[in-house]
Amino acid sequence: DVKVTQSSRYLVKRTGEKVFLECVQDMDHENMFWYRQDPGLGLRLIYFSYDVKMKEKGDIPEGYSVSREKKERFSLILESASTNQTSMYLCASSPGTALNEQYFGPGTRLTVT
Amino acid sequence: AQTVTQSQPEMSVQEAETVTLSCTYDTSESDYYLFWYKQPPSRQMILVIRQEAYKQQNATENRFSVNFQKAAKSFSLKISDSQLGDAAMYFCASYSGGGADGLTFGKGTHLIIQP
Repeated sequence: DVKVTQSSRYLVKRTGEKVFLECVQDMDHENMFWYRQDPGLGLRLIYFSYDVKMKEKGDIPEGYSVSREKKERFSLILESASTNQTSMYLCASSPGTALNEQYFGPGTRLTVT
Repeated sequence: AQTVTQSQPEMSVQEAETVTLSCTYDTSESDYYLFWYKQPPSRQMILVIRQEAYKQQNATENRFSVNFQKAAKSFSLKISDSQLGDAAMYFCASYSGGGADGLTFGKGTHLIIQP
């Protein structure tokens, strides 16, 4: 089975803190994605990566950055967390293009106070 | 830009009945793909069904089937013989990028199964 794991299920941080959300997949997938999920808004793409050290902005990249130093790991970084970044963050991976099934992690519910 | 619209924030159905979830989309691409994803409470998102736009035949997966109306840009999901385990958020999504772009998701429909 494909497994996508995220470092934390729940996280509470203070405004201004630097926050790291980690995602690891075990299926040698080329593509990895970070989405943000908010009630009534669905999922919105923050960043994606199609190879090590490669990244592309999604629909809502402001306030976020990413890092992909190894193929299996994709990190989302909030340089200075703000309350409007309180949300559920979902990581996903897929082989080849997104024509294929995207496999999702369990999500990290981040609260910024 | 693509858009995906799910007009039903919540639906309720009796166990063993059939329910249809609506989705409309908009894209200028001629080649694209459509998906329904399921997110059970506190569990991971999983793919339910996938439809390639160039295929005229509607996709089916066991109790799940789609009604793909290309001209109307409509992609509804039908769940037959609803079961308690079908209770979840359902997201319609589209993809038409040439590379590793992400999916465009609708806002979701919360499906309640009444025992």
